[in-house]
Amino acid sequence: AQSVAQPEDQVNVAEGNPLTVKCTYSVSGNPYLFWYVQYPNRGLQFLLKYITGDNLVKGSYGFEAEFNKSQTSFHLKKPSALVSDSALYFCAVREADTGNQFYFGTGTSLTVIP
Amino acid sequence: GAGVSQTPSNKVTEKGKYVELRCDPISGHTALYWYRQSLGQGPEFLIYFQGTGAADDSGLPNDRFFAVRPEGSVSTLKIQRTERGDSAVYLCASSLQGAVNFYEQYFGPGTRLTVT
Repeated sequence: AQSVAQPEDQVNVAEGNPLTVKCTYSVSGNPYLFWYVQYPNRGLQFLLKYITGDNLVKGSYGFEAEFNKSQTSFHLKKPSALVSDSALYFCAVREADTGNQFYFGTGTSLTVIP
Repeated sequence: GAGVSQTPSNKVTEKGKYVELRCDPISGHTALYWYRQSLGQGPEFLIYFQGTGAADDSGLPNDRFFAVRPEGSVSTLKIQRTERGDSAVYLCASSLQGAVNFYEQYFGPGTRLTVT
């Protein structure tokens, strides 16, 4: 069965420090992987995706993520955190060849401390 | 341009009643998804439309839930005989088939359904 795990409910990081939000996935075939961000009282917003090609993908607002097939991971990273990055982050997976469904993790709340 | 809109933003209903939740996708987006998000959880897939037809409704929890998209744009999620366990935020998302960014979903703000 397809699933996503975000092992950390909460991540705190000081402003200016690098941040990492972890995600691991399980699919029976090849994965399409996504990160979305949810700000308070706002809808989910697309950040970045991995479909094929380079394992390191870059997205909006300076975020990037690395697809690691052997570790079945797709961790979200940013070199220097901003207070405005504080939000709820969701990882999602879809099976590449046969899937219509997107499976989301339970979310990680990121707090950037000034 | 206009994003995905959902109405109503909040709906309170009594157990056993019927409710309809509406989604207006981005104009021209052929793919439309419904999700349900409970407190502290990620969005849970309910149904996927490609055009007017439901391409995948395997996420609907039971036959009290039904969704339509008769003209390939606006979609309505219908819940019969509501139960307290149906209380959640119902999210709609759309995307554009055939484009390089097809898998990028644009989400609406959601409808918060409370069944009392």
